[in-house]
Amino acid sequence: DAGITQSPRHKVTETGTPVTLRCHQTENHRYMYWYRQDPGHGLRLIHYSYGVKDTDKGEVSDGYSVSRSKTEDFLLTLESATSSQTSVYFCAIRPGQDPQETQYFGPGTRLLVL
Amino acid sequence: GNSVTQMEGPVTLSEEAFLTINCTYTATGYPSLFWYVQYPGEGLQLLLKATKADDKGSNKGFEATYRKETTSFHLEKGSVQVSDSAVYFCALGDGLTFGKGTHLIIQP
Repeated sequence: DAGITQSPRHKVTETGTPVTLRCHQTENHRYMYWYRQDPGHGLRLIHYSYGVKDTDKGEVSDGYSVSRSKTEDFLLTLESATSSQTSVYFCAIRPGQDPQETQYFGPGTRLLVL
Repeated sequence: GNSVTQMEGPVTLSEEAFLTINCTYTATGYPSLFWYVQYPGEGLQLLLKATKADDKGSNKGFEATYRKETTSFHLEKGSVQVSDSAVYFCALGDGLTFGKGTHLIIQP
């Protein structure tokens, strides 16, 4: 157990509303990631962070923003949710400095945008 | 750029059958290679990994060998069980590149 929690675990929202998902870790790991999982696409990287206030875009970052004001929390915000953002969102951490190290994933958040 | 290709399935087998899930990759350099497993309603978890060419990763009866010459990391198990039903992801060690996942269904 890598001490990763995600909240909320399930959310239903309407098109055009803002949504924030939270990823919390208890072990002060430097690297944190947000992915979305969709049928036929597998896992796709949205954004990642390599330290407090240090973030970068992934493959599918359009429509998403992130913030990391403290080590333990990595927030993903959908500024104005669209139906195409209906998905399962996973947070992950990577211990240490080695880019080849194993990632550990949270339990996921199911988001439905109506 | 880096990429991973794996069979998507679903792959349906009977209990005690032999399993192979193919994974091939393109990458610059020689990244670590991973197999992650996702059980229903859960996040991904590490199944096994290999960090260099010819390394064999193994766990829970599953094995995969890092083949540089064929750029492959195929997952195998000699005798599958119903409890192995899950989605399996092949991934590079860059944290950025995952296969699309293979849904495995084992029937009793």
